Amino acid sequence: DAKTTQPPSMDCAEGRAANLPCNHSTISGNEYVYWYRQIHSQGPQYIIHGLKNNETNEMASLIITEDRKSSTLILPHATLRDTAVYYCIVTVGGTASKLTFGTGTRLQVTL
Amino acid sequence: DTGVSQDPRHKITKRGQNVTFRCDPISEHNRLYWYRQTLGQGPEFLTYFQNEAQLEKSRLLSDRFSAERPKGSFSTLEIQRTEQGDSAMYLCASSSRTGADTEAFFGQGTRLTVV
Repeated sequence: DAKTTQPPSMDCAEGRAANLPCNHSTISGNEYVYWYRQIHSQGPQYIIHGLKNNETNEMASLIITEDRKSSTLILPHATLRDTAVYYCIVTVGGTASKLTFGTGTRLQVTL
Repeated sequence: DTGVSQDPRHKITKRGQNVTFRCDPISEHNRLYWYRQTLGQGPEFLTYFQNEAQLEKSRLLSDRFSAERPKGSFSTLEIQRTEQGDSAMYLCASSSRTGADTEAFFGQGTRLTVV
């Protein structure tokens, strides 16, 4: 699986959009980009995934660059409950199996 | 609650003792995964089952670790002769092979402390 690079931490004001970047310059054609988050003392939670098109669901939007070497997770209106560690993961085949987590981005949402 | 359930939530054990953790996946999910997470790190894959078959084991899984999933339902992870380095959060996740199978559902984990 391709490796990913994320900033270790970010801050965001409540109500503003949180834009979390991820670099995956070695991604191959059959690898999907997944995002999970982990709120303190809980297990990771799936957010969204995509192959090459931008994706949106009730939690977030995923923007993947045309060359697929980077992506951005967007939380449109961050709340205090979005404070968590966000993991960008690249995995083959678009399935849930064998996820390779890095150290993620710790997002702190503040008042 | 129909989510992934793990038991116990916390376990303190003395070095050298054996411990066993249980995971109950979401009903009818036929894939089950075990991960280990140490402080400040992301979860690391340990092993996974499809139904009762253990299909993959990480090199992280030493011979002191064994996992089972009898009858393809709940799973147990046993650690024999625990060491202080085994102190970590042990996470279980499940997913469904049918349909899209694009989301792993995680339990809240079992936190192991070896003293």
